[in-house]
Amino acid sequence: GENVEQHPSTLSVQEGDSAVIKCTYSDSASNYFPWYKQELGKRPQLIIDIRSNVGEKKDQRIAVTLNKTAKHFSLHITETQPEDSAVYFCAARGGADGLTFGKGTHLIIQP
Amino acid sequence: GAGVSQSPRYKVAKRGQDVALRCDPISGHVSLFWYQQALGQGPEFLTYFQNEAQLDKSGLPSDRFFAERPEGSVSTLKIQRTQQEDSAVYLCASSNRRDNSPLHFGNGTRLTVT
Repeated sequence: GENVEQHPSTLSVQEGDSAVIKCTYSDSASNYFPWYKQELGKRPQLIIDIRSNVGEKKDQRIAVTLNKTAKHFSLHITETQPEDSAVYFCAARGGADGLTFGKGTHLIIQP
Repeated sequence: GAGVSQSPRYKVAKRGQDVALRCDPISGHVSLFWYQQALGQGPEFLTYFQNEAQLDKSGLPSDRFFAERPEGSVSTLKIQRTQQEDSAVYLCASSNRRDNSPLHFGNGTRLTVT
């Protein structure tokens, strides 16, 4: 089955700086890669996703890049703000219908 | 419109008790998933329904776990003879797309087994 590795587990950045979170996946058949943001005690919320036929996607301060050859994808957040503080999960969907999630990155925005 | 609704929000059970967790997906969503999220971890797949059919239950950790969706809408996850290792947040997600992307999650049920 699919295996998703996520790094780092904790990331602390100064407000206004950029944050990058990286994930790798094992199943070359995976074709859909969403990123979820989860605040304490709340539901995971989709922030951006990318499909395997696209190399990069942007939505305001958030971007995701995908390298199918290397089987890795990354989340980039620019001009970080205090409300960006949360746990971020990457996920991949392979041959099966469900998503396989990474273990999460706790992003801390320092004022 | 309403999102995915789960109840109860919190459940405390004594070891050995049975529990039932409910999920109301977004109206009209064909696909429904259950995930288990342990503290500090990512969600882990439990089971998947398309309408009333349970297409994948490979993630259920033991035969104490059972899920159903008899009318293709509301789903119930039942855990029999709860154990301490069952303590986790149980998340339900639904999708209206054939390729199940994206998934919309509920707030989850936090189960604590004492």
